[in-house]
Amino acid sequence: GAGVSQSPSNKVTEKGKDVELRCDPISGHTALYWYRQSLGQGLEFLIYFQGNSAPDKSGLPSDRFSAERTGGSVSTLTIQRTQQEDSAVYLCASSLESRFDNEQFFGPGTRLTVL
Amino acid sequence: GNSVTQMEGPVTLSEEAFLTINCTYTATGYPSLFWYVQYPGEGLQLLLKATKADDKGSNKGFEATYRKETTSFHLEKGSVQVSDSAVYFCAQSGLTGGGNKLTFGTGTQLKVEL
Repeated sequence: GAGVSQSPSNKVTEKGKDVELRCDPISGHTALYWYRQSLGQGLEFLIYFQGNSAPDKSGLPSDRFSAERTGGSVSTLTIQRTQQEDSAVYLCASSLESRFDNEQFFGPGTRLTVL
Repeated sequence: GNSVTQMEGPVTLSEEAFLTINCTYTATGYPSLFWYVQYPGEGLQLLLKATKADDKGSNKGFEATYRKETTSFHLEKGSVQVSDSAVYFCAQSGLTGGGNKLTFGTGTQLKVEL
């Protein structure tokens, strides 16, 4: 079956531009997570969705970052006025439920480069 | 807050050698513990997990035991293969607003040579 997909796979942008990153979770998975993987910070949690609600946004680094999820499915992570420190691989994951022992299935990531 | 510490890499081993990658955690409560693996050019995938103390997770010849007394979840394999070359991440779950946020260690790169 289809796994988690993300688009684009690579994005190069200029400092100050806005970018949108898309995640398509596995069908039927109610929980969706965004993480960021960068050389300096490792793998960091950004935000969690249960359905269309985001009970935990504690990992978003600044108010330039926002995310939404619609129809309990697709999610978009938006970064406004990008900065060079935003360069990283952005990973999306989904799980069937939000139980503590549920496996999270990860997408291939979007590599963002801010020039 | 919750954190995960794992041994620094890179680790280079000869094929059929014994592997140990150390992982310790700090947490309030009793998290679930995971090992994820990232093969070259691929996404993160779950290798094994353990959800309570003394549980042993195992998969593909890898094992890890949830040790509450030492707050550890060390990854072991008796005989590594070249195909095991990858980056290994230890992680713990943390209930947050009803969710299951993962906190990861920094990753350990493993290279297995013939």
